[in-house]
Amino acid sequence: NAGVTQTPKFRILKIGQSMTLQCAQDMNHNYMYWYRQDPGMGLKLIYYSVGAGITDKGEVPNGYNVSRSTTEDFPLRLELAAPSQTSVYFCASSEGLLNQETQYFGPGTRLLVL
Amino acid sequence: EDQVTQSPEALRLQEGESSSLNCSYTVSGLRGLFWYRQDPGKGPEFLFTLYSAGEEKEKERLKATLTKKESFLHITAPKPEDSATYLCAVRANTGFQKLVFGTGTRLLVSP
Repeated sequence: NAGVTQTPKFRILKIGQSMTLQCAQDMNHNYMYWYRQDPGMGLKLIYYSVGAGITDKGEVPNGYNVSRSTTEDFPLRLELAAPSQTSVYFCASSEGLLNQETQYFGPGTRLLVL
Repeated sequence: EDQVTQSPEALRLQEGESSSLNCSYTVSGLRGLFWYRQDPGKGPEFLFTLYSAGEEKEKERLKATLTKKESFLHITAPKPEDSATYLCAVRANTGFQKLVFGTGTRLLVSP
């Protein structure tokens, strides 16, 4: 199993540009998550999904959108990039069952908005 | 509001010098406490889940313990390869499986 994979690893965007961060998992997990990690801050939840076709906002959803058309994939969309979105983005997944709630993380995408 | 505080922010140890990292939490009913290891430029790697006070789990040189207010990650005779940032997170007993993360402890083990 590859686990959770993310692409790209690094990207530079200009203010106002759009991009999609890709995330895929091969563990047949129901739940998937997007976090951002900023220096000196804990991981913050952006969006999550409890299954295909079902998504909801986390703590910091402004400026982002998600979709979940399959169990495996959970892309994160930035429509109008802003410098405040410079961060490291992590995708994670979990089974979603009681006492099977451990989240497994991907390697991250570093995004720089200039 | 659910909150996680980790201390110290950074810790420097000599190889073989045992120590403990602290994770204090306030949460509306604890469903689980999670420890992760994060190496520079990589994603968090799962270490342990603890569910109830008094529970302990071990993996190689690491041992995690849990009380009603805090968790400790004990590192026995650390090696340089244990150098990493250690993250603590809690899952509250409310609806969705949201994790609240602390800011981590950066551990450096010198040979």
